[in-house]
Amino acid sequence: DQQVKQNSPSLSVQEGRISILNCDYTNSMFDYFLWYKKYPAEGPTFLISISSIKDKNEDGRFTVFLNKSAKHLSLHIVPSQPGDSAVYFCAASGEGSNSGYALNFGKGTSLLVTP
Amino acid sequence: DAGVTQSPTHLIKTRGQQVTLRCSPKSGHDTVSWYQQALGQGPQFIFQYYEEEERQRGNFPDRFSGHQFPNYSSELNVNALLLGDSALYLCASSLGVRSSGNTIYFGEGSWLTVV
Repeated sequence: DQQVKQNSPSLSVQEGRISILNCDYTNSMFDYFLWYKKYPAEGPTFLISISSIKDKNEDGRFTVFLNKSAKHLSLHIVPSQPGDSAVYFCAASGEGSNSGYALNFGKGTSLLVTP
Repeated sequence: DAGVTQSPTHLIKTRGQQVTLRCSPKSGHDTVSWYQQALGQGPQFIFQYYEEEERQRGNFPDRFSGHQFPNYSSELNVNALLLGDSALYLCASSLGVRSSGNTIYFGEGSWLTVV
């Protein structure tokens, strides 16, 4: 049962424009959300996280927005750079959920930033 | 500051064999979790170790077992390998078992191919 869904397998964006990656979740007990970036042959690299008590968190070019009522979060990358081309994973956890401390991942979105 | 290190990087095993994968957490971290990532999927939680005990387990059979040593490093053992066990095995480390508010770091993974 996939509790975290990334419905866009791929996304192509021009360099300098905004990249928006989306993520939906089904478990209302999730209260902590993370985004990871993964290059081929490497492990996931932590990008940014957000707690359910917030609706926005920024770190440089990366901003994560959380809409709890819609059970939806998004990652905005502005401006996008060719080096951002990677697979992006959304993950969620919640100590009160049926998965406890474990991270529940989506299947990932492959972002391609073209010059 | 050493990050999460895993070994071996790649290995090939035959069906029915046993495999041991190793992980050293990031310096200062005391909790290790293991994830399995099949091709085209997001990582799936296997189990978490803290204070040398398995604290939480995902939906994986008993063929998957683990251990944590006093220096916080960990091993993942898989017995009676099946073709379906072919995947990237990721080790994640953190300080404490809680995920909320925690930054969870991943190693580069061990690629296991079962033939």
